[in-house]
Amino acid sequence: QQQVKQSPQSLIVQKGGISIINCAYENTAFDYFPWYQQFPGKGPALLIAIRPDVSEKKEGRFTISFNKSAKQFSLHIMDSQPGDSATYFCAASIGGAGSYQLTFGKGTKLSVIP
Amino acid sequence: DAGITQSPRHKVTETGTPVTLRCHQTENHRYMYWYRQDPGHGLRLIHYSYGVKDTDKGEVSDGYSVSRSKTEDFLLTLESATSSQTSVYFCAISDSGVGTEAFFGQGTRLTVV
Repeated sequence: QQQVKQSPQSLIVQKGGISIINCAYENTAFDYFPWYQQFPGKGPALLIAIRPDVSEKKEGRFTISFNKSAKQFSLHIMDSQPGDSATYFCAASIGGAGSYQLTFGKGTKLSVIP
Repeated sequence: DAGITQSPRHKVTETGTPVTLRCHQTENHRYMYWYRQDPGHGLRLIHYSYGVKDTDKGEVSDGYSVSRSKTEDFLLTLESATSSQTSVYFCAISDSGVGTEAFFGQGTRLTVV
């Protein structure tokens, strides 16, 4: 059972365009939703995260939109740059359970072409 | 970068042999995790630890065991390696508290032939 579904699997965007990656979750107990960015040969690194008590969070060119009723959240990358080319993972966790373990989506490989 | 060191970084082993991967942290974080990453599957949790000698299973724990005898070290053992365990293994750490960032190591690429 996949608890976090991510789409698309791959995405090609022109430099300066907007990249949009979507995730949907099933477990309403999730209360922390981070996005991780991974470059080839490296471990994932936290990009931006949101809690379900807000509908949007923005950090620079990166924005998370959160729709609690639809159980969906998305990552928007504005003014996409070639340096943004990486694999992006959405994730979710249940903080109150004590382990804070993350359940990941399957990832989206983003390619930003000049 | 968070102080996480995985060793070895690359390993080739034969089917049926035991293999141990090591994760060492210098951050004194309470929680440690082992994930595997495979194409089309994202990152899947194998085992995690919430303290010294306190561990629990994750989503894909069959064929793996872990041990944590010190706060800083978390070992992952493949008891009898199989080709299906060929993967990239990531260790992660996090501190207590909801919404705490998980920091990942650089990964260990394991090939079972």
